[in-house]
Amino acid sequence: EAQVTQNPRYLITVTGKKLTVTCSQNMNHEYMSWYRQDPGLGLRQIYYSMNVEVTDKGDVPEGYKVSRKEKRNFPLILESPSPNQTSLYFCASSLHNEQFFGPGTRLTVL
Amino acid sequence: SQQGEEDPQALSIQEGENATMNCSYKTSINNLQWYRQNSGRGLVHLILIRSNEREKHSGRLRVTLDTSKKSSSLLITASRAADTASYFCATDERNNDMRFGAGTRLTVKP
Repeated sequence: EAQVTQNPRYLITVTGKKLTVTCSQNMNHEYMSWYRQDPGLGLRQIYYSMNVEVTDKGDVPEGYKVSRKEKRNFPLILESPSPNQTSLYFCASSLHNEQFFGPGTRLTVL
Repeated sequence: SQQGEEDPQALSIQEGENATMNCSYKTSINNLQWYRQNSGRGLVHLILIRSNEREKHSGRLRVTLDTSKKSSSLLITASRAADTASYFCATDERNNDMRFGAGTRLTVKP
Protein backbone atom coordinates (compact mmCIF):
# COMPACT_ATOMS: atom_id res chain seq x y z
CA GLU A 1 0.00 0.00 0.00
CA ALA A 2 1.32 3.39 -1.03
CA GLN A 3 1.76 5.48 2.08
CA VAL A 4 3.70 7.99 4.12
CA THR A 5 4.50 6.89 7.65
CA GLN A 6 5.58 8.97 10.61
CA ASN A 7 6.94 7.97 13.97
CA PRO A 8 6.19 8.56 16.70
CA ARG A 9 2.54 9.52 16.36
CA TYR A 10 2.49 11.14 19.80
CA LEU A 11 5.36 12.50 21.84
CA ILE A 12 5.59 14.44 25.08
CA THR A 13 9.03 15.73 25.90
CA VAL A 14 10.80 18.42 27.87
CA THR A 15 12.55 21.58 26.80
CA GLY A 16 16.03 21.00 25.43
CA LYS A 17 15.86 17.25 24.93
CA LYS A 18 16.82 16.47 21.35
CA LEU A 19 14.28 14.49 19.35
CA THR A 20 13.78 13.13 15.86
CA VAL A 21 10.53 12.49 14.07
CA THR A 22 10.94 10.01 11.26
CA CYS A 23 9.15 10.11 7.93
CA SER A 24 9.23 7.43 5.30
CA GLN A 25 7.45 7.00 1.95
CA ASN A 26 7.25 3.96 -0.28
CA MET A 27 6.19 5.68 -3.50
CA ASN A 28 9.65 6.59 -4.78
CA HIS A 29 8.71 10.27 -4.64
CA GLU A 30 11.48 12.78 -5.11
CA TYR A 31 9.78 15.61 -3.23
CA MET A 32 9.22 15.50 0.53
CA SER A 33 8.18 18.17 2.96
CA TRP A 34 7.49 18.87 6.62
CA TYR A 35 4.65 21.06 7.91
CA ARG A 36 3.41 22.12 11.27
CA GLN A 37 -0.24 22.81 11.91
CA ASP A 38 -1.39 25.17 14.61
CA PRO A 39 -4.94 26.36 15.36
CA GLY A 40 -5.97 29.28 13.17
CA LEU A 41 -2.73 29.21 11.20
CA GLY A 42 -3.28 26.30 8.85
CA LEU A 43 -0.24 24.38 7.68
CA ARG A 44 3.10 26.10 7.54
CA GLN A 45 5.99 24.57 5.69
CA ILE A 46 9.12 23.94 7.75
CA TYR A 47 11.52 22.37 5.25
CA TYR A 48 11.24 20.64 1.93
CA SER A 49 13.46 18.47 -0.20
CA MET A 50 13.40 18.21 -3.97
CA ASN A 51 15.61 15.13 -4.02
CA VAL A 52 18.33 13.26 -2.15
CA GLU A 53 20.85 15.61 -0.52
CA VAL A 54 18.78 18.66 -1.55
CA THR A 55 16.90 20.48 1.21
CA ASP A 56 15.47 23.97 1.43
CA LYS A 57 13.92 26.11 4.13
CA GLY A 58 10.20 26.67 4.11
CA ASP A 59 8.38 29.43 5.93
CA VAL A 60 9.19 28.45 9.53
CA PRO A 61 12.54 26.61 9.62
CA GLU A 62 13.91 28.10 12.84
CA GLY A 63 14.61 25.46 15.49
CA TYR A 64 14.42 22.55 13.04
CA LYS A 65 16.84 20.52 10.96
CA VAL A 66 16.26 17.92 8.28
CA SER A 67 18.33 15.50 6.27
CA ARG A 68 17.72 13.58 3.05
CA LYS A 69 20.29 10.86 2.75
CA GLU A 70 17.92 8.44 1.04
CA LYS A 71 14.96 9.07 -1.22
CA ARG A 72 12.45 7.34 1.04
CA ASN A 73 13.37 8.99 4.37
CA PHE A 74 13.14 12.59 5.51
CA PRO A 75 13.60 12.92 9.29
CA LEU A 76 12.78 16.11 11.19
CA ILE A 77 15.20 16.93 13.97
CA LEU A 78 14.61 19.27 16.89
CA GLU A 79 18.01 19.81 18.48
CA SER A 80 16.71 21.73 21.47
CA PRO A 81 12.92 21.71 21.54
CA SER A 82 11.06 24.58 23.12
CA PRO A 83 7.39 24.90 24.18
CA ASN A 84 6.57 27.00 21.09
CA GLN A 85 7.31 23.93 19.00
CA THR A 86 4.33 22.16 20.52
CA SER A 87 2.28 21.42 17.44
CA LEU A 88 0.88 18.83 15.06
CA TYR A 89 3.49 17.88 12.47
CA PHE A 90 2.86 16.40 9.04
CA CYS A 91 5.25 14.90 6.56
CA ALA A 92 4.26 14.79 2.91
CA SER A 93 5.68 13.48 -0.35
CA SER A 94 4.78 14.07 -3.96
CA LEU A 95 5.77 13.22 -7.49
CA HIS A 96 3.77 15.73 -9.49
CA ASN A 97 2.08 18.42 -7.40
CA GLU A 98 -0.38 16.18 -5.53
CA GLN A 99 0.94 15.70 -2.02
CA PHE A 100 0.44 12.57 0.05
CA PHE A 101 0.39 13.25 3.76
CA GLY A 102 1.41 11.12 6.68
CA PRO A 103 -0.94 10.62 9.64
CA GLY A 104 0.69 13.33 11.74
CA THR A 105 2.81 13.52 14.89
CA ARG A 106 1.41 15.37 17.85
CA LEU A 107 4.32 16.85 19.79
CA THR A 108 4.09 18.46 23.20
CA VAL A 109 7.14 20.21 24.64
CA LEU A 110 6.87 20.95 28.35
CA SER B 1 3.63 33.19 5.34
CA GLN B 2 0.21 31.99 4.31
CA GLN B 3 -0.68 32.38 0.68
CA GLY B 4 -4.24 31.11 0.48
CA GLU B 5 -6.94 32.39 2.76
CA GLU B 6 -10.19 30.49 2.95
CA ASP B 7 -13.57 32.02 3.50
CA PRO B 8 -15.66 31.39 5.51
CA GLN B 9 -13.68 30.06 8.45
CA ALA B 10 -16.60 27.85 9.39
CA LEU B 11 -19.70 26.70 7.53
CA SER B 12 -22.64 24.69 8.83
CA ILE B 13 -25.27 23.29 6.46
CA GLN B 14 -27.91 20.59 6.29
CA GLU B 15 -27.35 17.33 4.47
CA GLY B 16 -28.33 17.67 0.82
CA GLU B 17 -27.45 21.33 0.58
CA ASN B 18 -24.53 22.66 -1.41
CA ALA B 19 -21.42 23.99 0.30
CA THR B 20 -19.28 26.70 -1.21
CA MET B 21 -15.87 27.66 0.10
CA ASN B 22 -13.65 30.38 -1.25
CA CYS B 23 -9.92 30.87 -1.35
CA SER B 24 -7.98 34.03 -2.10
CA TYR B 25 -4.27 34.25 -2.71
CA LYS B 26 -1.72 36.97 -3.22
CA THR B 27 0.85 36.12 -5.88
CA SER B 28 1.00 34.40 -9.24
CA ILE B 29 0.64 30.66 -9.07
CA ASN B 30 1.32 27.59 -11.16
CA ASN B 31 -1.64 25.70 -9.79
CA LEU B 32 -4.07 25.61 -6.91
CA GLN B 33 -5.12 22.53 -5.00
CA TRP B 34 -7.84 21.71 -2.54
CA TYR B 35 -7.32 19.29 0.32
CA ARG B 36 -9.58 17.80 2.93
CA GLN B 37 -8.68 16.99 6.52
CA ASN B 38 -10.69 14.95 8.95
CA SER B 39 -10.11 15.98 12.53
CA GLY B 40 -6.46 15.52 13.55
CA ARG B 41 -5.60 13.42 10.50
CA GLY B 42 -3.41 13.98 7.48
CA LEU B 43 -4.66 15.96 4.53
CA VAL B 44 -6.11 14.20 1.52
CA HIS B 45 -5.79 15.66 -1.95
CA LEU B 46 -9.12 16.43 -3.62
CA ILE B 47 -8.46 18.29 -6.83
CA LEU B 48 -5.86 20.36 -8.65
CA ILE B 49 -6.59 23.19 -11.05
CA ARG B 50 -3.85 24.71 -13.17
CA SER B 51 -3.43 28.41 -13.70
CA ASN B 52 -4.64 28.14 -17.31
CA GLU B 53 -7.85 26.33 -16.31
CA ARG B 54 -11.03 28.04 -15.19
CA GLU B 55 -13.17 25.18 -13.94
CA LYS B 56 -12.73 21.56 -13.02
CA HIS B 57 -15.08 18.83 -11.84
CA SER B 58 -14.55 15.68 -9.85
CA GLY B 59 -17.64 13.79 -8.76
CA ARG B 60 -19.61 16.13 -6.48
CA LEU B 61 -16.80 18.66 -6.43
CA ARG B 62 -16.55 21.69 -8.66
CA VAL B 63 -13.59 24.02 -8.49
CA THR B 64 -13.27 27.36 -10.21
CA LEU B 65 -10.23 29.55 -10.59
CA ASP B 66 -10.15 33.25 -11.43
CA THR B 67 -6.53 34.31 -11.79
CA SER B 68 -7.49 37.93 -12.43
CA LYS B 69 -9.10 38.07 -8.99
CA LYS B 70 -6.61 35.64 -7.47
CA SER B 71 -9.42 33.53 -6.10
CA SER B 72 -10.82 30.02 -6.25
CA SER B 73 -13.97 28.38 -5.04
CA LEU B 74 -14.79 24.81 -4.07
CA LEU B 75 -18.38 23.70 -4.42
CA ILE B 76 -19.56 20.45 -2.86
CA THR B 77 -22.99 19.52 -4.19
CA ALA B 78 -25.59 17.42 -2.38
CA SER B 79 -23.51 17.37 0.79
CA ARG B 80 -23.44 14.40 3.12
CA ALA B 81 -22.66 14.10 6.82
CA ALA B 82 -19.44 12.34 5.78
CA ASP B 83 -18.29 15.56 4.09
CA THR B 84 -17.83 17.10 7.54
CA ALA B 85 -14.15 18.07 7.61
CA SER B 86 -11.80 20.99 7.19
CA TYR B 87 -10.98 22.06 3.66
CA PHE B 88 -7.77 23.80 2.66
CA CYS B 89 -6.61 25.45 -0.47
CA ALA B 90 -2.92 25.31 -1.34
CA THR B 91 -1.04 27.29 -3.91
CA ASP B 92 2.13 26.43 -5.73
CA GLU B 93 4.18 29.51 -6.51
CA ARG B 94 7.42 27.83 -7.38
CA ASN B 95 7.90 24.19 -8.12
CA ASN B 96 6.48 22.28 -5.16
CA ASP B 97 6.73 25.18 -2.69
CA MET B 98 3.26 24.78 -1.31
CA ARG B 99 1.43 27.31 0.82
CA PHE B 100 -1.75 26.45 2.64
CA GLY B 101 -4.51 28.61 3.98
CA ALA B 102 -6.00 28.31 7.47
CA GLY B 103 -8.93 26.25 6.20
CA THR B 104 -12.71 26.22 6.26
CA ARG B 105 -14.35 24.00 8.83
CA LEU B 106 -17.45 22.43 7.21
CA THR B 107 -20.13 20.78 9.31
CA VAL B 108 -22.90 18.89 7.52
CA LYS B 109 -25.83 18.10 9.79
CA PRO B 110 -27.77 14.91 9.08
